[in-house]
Amino acid sequence: DTEVTQTPKHLVMGMTNKKSLKCEQHMGHRAMYWYKQKAKKPPELMFVYSYEKLSINESVPSRFSPECPNSSLLNLHLHALQPEDSALYLCASSPLSRAGEVNEQFFGPGTRLTVL
Amino acid sequence: QKEVEQDPGPLSVPEGAIVSLNCTYSNSAFQYFMWYRQYSRKGPELLMYTYSSGNKEDGRFTAQVDKSSKYISLFIRDSQPSDSATYLCAMGPGGNAGNMLTFGGGTRLMVKP
Repeated sequence: DTEVTQTPKHLVMGMTNKKSLKCEQHMGHRAMYWYKQKAKKPPELMFVYSYEKLSINESVPSRFSPECPNSSLLNLHLHALQPEDSALYLCASSPLSRAGEVNEQFFGPGTRLTVL
Repeated sequence: QKEVEQDPGPLSVPEGAIVSLNCTYSNSAFQYFMWYRQYSRKGPELLMYTYSSGNKEDGRFTAQVDKSSKYISLFIRDSQPSDSATYLCAMGPGGNAGNMLTFGGGTRLMVKP
């Protein structure tokens, strides 16, 4: 299995809703990522998990809450979002790099989120 | 000045043409370079990954890195309409920054039949 899967494909939510995005990979990768991508822009890094521990948080508002229950799963919990949070949310995974290396990241298809 | 510059296009070419996509960067710490293809409303798909200056070939795709000029290129031979997509370059420094990637803004390519 060489792919990253994400559910749901599309999500529409109101500003008071609580929802979760899910990501799964079975490539044995121990680094997993959440990115946000607006139209015609490159992906922006939100969070990085290494060995199921949060290693990077790019100053993301607390209304986004990541969770890594095990080495194959990554969730993003959403609460009290704003309309400007509407975007494509991408999950990625990579082998964990040895010192001095950067390993290629493999992306999922994304969840298209619309906040009303 | 952005760390990674990439012409947004759109770049329009006829089918069968050779396409050249380019990125320049300012951070000499970048050591690893990737090219991703992204179709509309889909996730990025890894095309090429390289960490040394020179050329790397995979089928119709050739990635070229010139670290002295801080310039990378992706060449697509015999371009097809199915190559129409946005192409993103990405690069990382290695070291303790590990898997932090910096993306270019993407170039939109249109290959016309």
